[in-house]
Amino acid sequence: QKEVEQNSGPLSVPEGAIASLNCTYSDRGSQSFFWYRQYSGKSPELIMSIYSNGDKEDGRFTAQLNKASQYVSLLIRDSQPSDSATYLCAARGNDYKLSFGAGTTVTVRA
Amino acid sequence: ETGVTQTPRHLVMGMTNKKSLKCEQHLGHNAMYWYKQSAKKPLELMFVYSLEERVENNSVPSRFSPECPNSSHLFLHLHTLQPEDSALYLCASSQGLASGAGELFFGEGSRLTVL
Repeated sequence: QKEVEQNSGPLSVPEGAIASLNCTYSDRGSQSFFWYRQYSGKSPELIMSIYSNGDKEDGRFTAQLNKASQYVSLLIRDSQPSDSATYLCAARGNDYKLSFGAGTTVTVRA
Repeated sequence: ETGVTQTPRHLVMGMTNKKSLKCEQHLGHNAMYWYKQSAKKPLELMFVYSLEERVENNSVPSRFSPECPNSSHLFLHLHTLQPEDSALYLCASSQGLASGAGELFFGEGSRLTVL
């Protein structure tokens, strides 16, 4: 059973701060990793993908991958109220299947 | 226009009813998926189709029956459901299964309540 674990939160951060979300995965064969954002009552939306160790930056978002530690993280810099959502971590191995975590709920306080 | 559209958005049905969920993608993708999302639980993959051929049937009860008449349309036929089947059912598409399989585009979901 491939498992992806996330802290459910809620993670509450003040506006302008950095939100740090963590994710671990059990399958060492996982090769691709994704972060999806899901607003309340809406569907998930892909915001970041990362395939190799290290950091990947896209605007205010930075994804970090450490395959040796089986650890993926997402940093949201200069957090805005519009970043309040549930963030889903997902991992994919050699096949097409994505394993999702249950999500971390982030609340940005104005 | 959203890339993946689902209807109906909300559905209430009794355990003896028969209903269908519909999904249509306008992205030219070759793979389509049904996921189940229950509160506080990870997304559960139910079915996967690639070029109209089913490639995954993830131990889903037979009261859920998928249909993929072409690469743009996907249905989920429902019959004799149980209250524990109440959930958000999400349709998604991707370019294919080999490339871009992790980059899913989701519809807005169909919120199902079984009484």
